[in-house]
Amino acid sequence: AQSVTQLGSHVSVSEGALVLLRCNYSSPVPPYLFWYVQYPNQGLQLLLKYTSAATLVKGINGFEAEFKKSETSFHLTKPSAHMSDAAEYFCAVRVNDMRFGAGTRLTVKP
Amino acid sequence: KAGVTQTPRYLIKTRGQQVTLSCSPISGHRSVSWYQQTPGQGLQFLFEYFSETQRNKGNFPGRFSGRQFSNSRSEMNVSTLELGDSALYLCASSLDVTVVSYEQYFGPGTRLTVT
Repeated sequence: AQSVTQLGSHVSVSEGALVLLRCNYSSPVPPYLFWYVQYPNQGLQLLLKYTSAATLVKGINGFEAEFKKSETSFHLTKPSAHMSDAAEYFCAVRVNDMRFGAGTRLTVKP
Repeated sequence: KAGVTQTPRYLIKTRGQQVTLSCSPISGHRSVSWYQQTPGQGLQFLFEYFSETQRNKGNFPGRFSGRQFSNSRSEMNVSTLELGDSALYLCASSLDVTVVSYEQYFGPGTRLTVT
């Protein structure tokens, strides 16, 4: 069965710094991969998805992710963090059903 | 276009009771999935419905059940509630479960507290 591992349950960056959230996946077939963001007391919002069309995927709010098959990774990046980026981020892989990682809480320091 | 709506948003129940949660998908979406989110277990898949048929089911006891109606609205039911059922229950809709690349759109969730 498919699974994802998010490295680091908590990441803290300064405003304006690079954001890097790590995700590694395991899938028996070519995967569909997603990144979602969750703000407090809200549902999940899709940031971006990988569906094999392009290895570098651009999403909303300046986020992007690169699919690396050799490393089975799909890390999320943003060049410059903003205070409003503070939230919990989930990586997910879908084969039949959707499997989520444990999440990474991003804190942005002023 | 309206997003996924879930009712009620908050619910407090007592152990042993049962509860029904409701989800209305985005107009035109035919697939609805349910997830349980807890601090300890994270996001766990409950089940997925498409055209009134359960297509996938997660590893939850039979106390958890669901259904989907002809208008794609879905309900989930938890019987004989336990303290461990306290969680945020999230519903997500997508266009078509047969196309796995379709992203899921999430509702705000129903926060269930069992006392």
